[in-house]
Amino acid sequence: DIQMTQSPSSLSASVGDSVTITCRASQSIGTSLHWYQQRPGKAPNILISSTSTLQNGVPSRFSGSGSGTDFTLTISTLQPEDFATYFCQQSYNTPLTFGGGTKVEI
Amino acid sequence: QVQLQQSGAGLVKSSETLSLTCTVYGGSFSGFFWSWIRQSPGKGLEWIGEINHSGTTRYNPSLKSRVSMSADTSKNQISLRLTSVTAADTAVYYCARPWGLDNWFDPWGQGSLVTVSS
Repeated sequence: DIQMTQSPSSLSASVGDSVTITCRASQSIGTSLHWYQQRPGKAPNILISSTSTLQNGVPSRFSGSGSGTDFTLTISTLQPEDFATYFCQQSYNTPLTFGGGTKVEI
Repeated sequence: QVQLQQSGAGLVKSSETLSLTCTVYGGSFSGFFWSWIRQSPGKGLEWIGEINHSGTTRYNPSLKSRVSMSADTSKNQISLRLTSVTAADTAVYYCARPWGLDNWFDPWGQGSLVTVSS
């Protein structure tokens, strides 16, 4: 299985800050890396697919980059609604696997 | 717009079988794979497996011996069965559609909390 390691597991930030979350794969996965946002009590929601493609309706302050084994999600100018947990997911190989999550707290 | 609605028992006794159903509304059922994913505090998000309208399945090897999925095209439904459950199977279970050329998940069902009791 491809292991996905996210860091940090949690971070504290303020409205207006810029934050970066990292996801590392245990082997090369090309650009088959996706990012989700999850709010408490809700299902994850796709933010960015295939490393850097912003989904419809996702604000442009979200961006993704990387390839191979190292990927980043950046949120510039944090807004109150961005405080949530973020997950990465690889689709290069089955079983599909997820990172452990990064909780962005105020 | 595709929506997924989950149903099924929220409390299952240890050693018994977990059963959940996911109904697809508002879009095509055939021609897609449909996945089950679970989330627990201990193991995070875990892909359980997927099935398409014709019954082709792929399961996570870690659960393969206990999992079965089925599809009912007359009802636009997929079902999950997990046998011989233990406390470690307590989780929120989601159905979701793998989407795009690169298989991200969108949309997701609302989630079903399943608790395994002794």
